[in-house]
Amino acid sequence: AQTVTQSQPEMSVQEAETVTLSCTYDTSESDYYLFWYKQPPSRQMILVIRQEAYKQQNATENRFSVNFQKAAKSFSLKISDSQLGDAAMYFCAYKARDRDDKIIFGKGTRLHILP
Amino acid sequence: KAGVTQTPRYLIKTRGQQVTLSCSPISGHRSVSWYQQTPGQGLQFLFEYFSETQRNKGNFPGRFSGRQFSNSRSEMNVSTLELGDSALYLCASSLFQEPSSYNSPLHFGNGTRLTVT
Repeated sequence: AQTVTQSQPEMSVQEAETVTLSCTYDTSESDYYLFWYKQPPSRQMILVIRQEAYKQQNATENRFSVNFQKAAKSFSLKISDSQLGDAAMYFCAYKARDRDDKIIFGKGTRLHILP
Repeated sequence: KAGVTQTPRYLIKTRGQQVTLSCSPISGHRSVSWYQQTPGQGLQFLFEYFSETQRNKGNFPGRFSGRQFSNSRSEMNVSTLELGDSALYLCASSLFQEPSSYNSPLHFGNGTRLTVT
């Protein structure tokens, strides 16, 4: 069965610094999607970035970028120039390309931004 | 465009009661999925509906059920509530236009916080 592991329950970073959140996953599939979702204190989950496994190029969205290592089954999120508004719970998620497969979330990493 | 709307936002119930939560997806979104979020287990998938049909189901007991209406609105029901059912229940909708949208991002509501006493 597919699993998603986020080994860092909590992290802190100084404002304006860079932080990397780790995520590893286990799957026997070759075609799948990976996501990072952010859940601020308002509780509403928001998609931060997504990566298609068949694409070698790492996805980027403004200050957010990923380091996708398919062979290592690793999908880390890098946040550059951290801002106070980045403080949230971050969830890594996996979904196989099979239309009937369900999305699987990691347990999350709570990110604190220190002013 | 209005986002995903979940009602109510907070709910307090007693053990043994049943509860119904509601979710209105973003207009045009036909897929609705439900998740249970607890501090210990994180986010766990409950079920997903598309065009009024359940497409997928997570590993939850039969006390958890759901349905989707023709306007894509969805409800989930939990019967015979247990203390362990206390959680944040999140609903998400996505634009599911086969076949290219299997990776359609999920758009979440603000959730319903259920407390069972």
